[in-house]
Amino acid sequence: AQTVTQSQPEMSVQEAETVTLSCTYDTSENNYYLFWYKQPPSRQMILVIRQEAYKQQNATENRFSVNFQKAAKSFSLKISDSQLGDTAMYFCAFMNQRMGNTPLVFGKGTRLSVIA
Amino acid sequence: DTEVTQTPKHLVMGMTNKKSLKCEQHMGHRAMYWYKQKAKKPPELMFVYSYEKLSINESVPSRFSPECPNSSLLNLHLHALQPEDSALYLCASSQTRGGSSYEQYFGPGTRLTVT
Repeated sequence: AQTVTQSQPEMSVQEAETVTLSCTYDTSENNYYLFWYKQPPSRQMILVIRQEAYKQQNATENRFSVNFQKAAKSFSLKISDSQLGDTAMYFCAFMNQRMGNTPLVFGKGTRLSVIA
Repeated sequence: DTEVTQTPKHLVMGMTNKKSLKCEQHMGHRAMYWYKQKAKKPPELMFVYSYEKLSINESVPSRFSPECPNSSLLNLHLHALQPEDSALYLCASSQTRGGSSYEQYFGPGTRLTVT
């Protein structure tokens, strides 16, 4: 069974600064997807970024980028130029690539506060 | 259009009531999911439907009854719930075979309170 670990329950960052959220996972699979989801206080779960395990290049979406280390089973999220709207719970999630209806395995989440 | 809609937004029900939650998507996704989320916790998977057939039931009590009437709709029928069932219920959908990616798109959720 796969597990996802987020070791930072809470973090804070000053506006315009950079912050990195950690995520490690455990799996025996070789093909899988990794995701970061954001859930602001409004509670809508939003996909931030995704990474296919077979791709060596780290995914980037505007101010969000990941550091994917497959051998170390590590998948951290870097947020650059933090904004107040980035305040949210961030969940790291794993999905086996075998089929498209395979459930997501979530970490426990990191609550990020961006301070003005 | 990457929208998943859920109704109602809020629901308060007594332990003897029968109610239903509704989820709808028009992205052509053939996999749909129900999750339960308690405060400050990650979502917990309840059910997965693939091509309108129930493919995963995570040992959910029978007082929760899912239904997928067509490829765009997903319902969750509730009956004789307990106060500990109070939570945010999230619906999600995703592509299945042949898709270039399988990310799940979530609806805004229904906040359920059982009194």
